[in-house]
Amino acid sequence: QVRLQQWGAGLLKPSETLSLTCAVYGGSFSDYFWTWIRQPPGKGLEWIGEINHSGSTNYNSSLKSRVTISVDTSKNQFSLKLTSVTAADTAVYFCARACSGPPYYMDVWGKGTTVTAS
Amino acid sequence: QSVLTQPPSVSGAPGQRVTISCTGSSSNIGAGYDVHWYQQIPGTAPKLLIYSNTNRPSGVPDRFSGSKSGTSASLAITGVQAEDEADYYCQSYDISLSVSGVFGGGTKLTVL
Repeated sequence: QVRLQQWGAGLLKPSETLSLTCAVYGGSFSDYFWTWIRQPPGKGLEWIGEINHSGSTNYNSSLKSRVTISVDTSKNQFSLKLTSVTAADTAVYFCARACSGPPYYMDVWGKGTTVTAS
Repeated sequence: QSVLTQPPSVSGAPGQRVTISCTGSSSNIGAGYDVHWYQQIPGTAPKLLIYSNTNRPSGVPDRFSGSKSGTSASLAITGVQAEDEADYYCQSYDISLSVSGVFGGGTKLTVL
């Protein structure tokens, strides 16, 4: 059974850098892409970006200048950094496993981390 | 403004059939890209419901089904139950945005 556990700072000041990490337990790490998705309060889902085990990335063009997704294959972990946060970046951030695409579908999700920029 | 358009809300009585539409364009669904569907209970992570237009992951009840035609896709729930009350999102790919994942705005299903 594959499980994703995510963590990171939940309260940031404007202009600070958001940093989240997601650990993958069980299953293959190298056979999938790994994604970050966020959901502002009361709103829908927004895809942030994805990475595979070799470090190949794709980012949402609207966030590309501020986003970095990285991978640590020795720990089966991947991370998200978002620089210069503003109130508009306040959201629940999810990590997820992405299968067979594009468009990839996300079949395993982390529980989400609430990030508030204030 | 979402690239994929869903109705904000739908409702149905227990046992009824409910459908949720997802309308795209020639740069996403109409270009032949698959559509996936997720169910989200408020306060929890989304759950994969339908992948690649019509496929149900293991454990998803067969009252959920998906279809796709032209620039649109639909999720149908046949015999809706109280536990199906949730938000539903469609997802596909858009070649003009260079974004691997685009979501619909979401549809709130209310079971009357």
